[in-house]
Amino acid sequence: QQQVKQSPQSLIVQKGGISIINCAYENTAFDYFPWYQQFPGKGPALLIAIRPDVSEKKEGRFTISFNKSAKQFSLHIMDSQPGDSATYFCAAIVGTYKYIFGTGTRLKVLA
Amino acid sequence: GAVVSQHPSRVICKSGTSVKIECRSLDFQATTMFWYRQFPKQSLMLMATSNEGSKATYEQGVEKDKFLINHASLTLSTLTVTSAHPEDSSFYICSASIPSGGIYNEQFFGPGTRLTVL
Repeated sequence: QQQVKQSPQSLIVQKGGISIINCAYENTAFDYFPWYQQFPGKGPALLIAIRPDVSEKKEGRFTISFNKSAKQFSLHIMDSQPGDSATYFCAAIVGTYKYIFGTGTRLKVLA
Repeated sequence: GAVVSQHPSRVICKSGTSVKIECRSLDFQATTMFWYRQFPKQSLMLMATSNEGSKATYEQGVEKDKFLINHASLTLSTLTVTSAHPEDSSFYICSASIPSGGIYNEQFFGPGTRLTVL
């Protein structure tokens, strides 16, 4: 119940394409869903986050879509660039601070 | 704002020795700090949660006598890996949180420390 399932494990996208990463959860107590970007050898950095009372949030080229009834949320990266090549983690927060991370998606954007 | 640093960024040590990793919140006071462990191509696994001035809370399966955590101030937490063994080699990441005024506290992550035990 504490798991957050993330797919795909890896993703290759052409420059300018759309990258889509999906996450699913079971615990309805989760109430905040951030996405993190991590480059090799670096700590994760917050990319965008959404609350469950919102169905979509957009910041620049990054959009989170949230389906509360299906307990699923996804990250869309529009106009993907080679600089977006990184590992992306979805997460869910239970309680006030405990993060449960997804398994990660390694994105490679081809030039 | 909300910058978290870690030191050292990389450390190599011999088996049986102890290694200390520092985590600092540079521009804010962190009520709570967290320590994560990340194996190659895997997700972050929470090891422990520490609050300033109190004992850390360890996740199930994490040996508290092996991974000593000291949260001496609102800006500094340390993780000491005692009697390190090769299986302790990993990427250790800390994070710090401040109350957001809402129902959750956002965490800010450090750059990580790569530990290699020979």
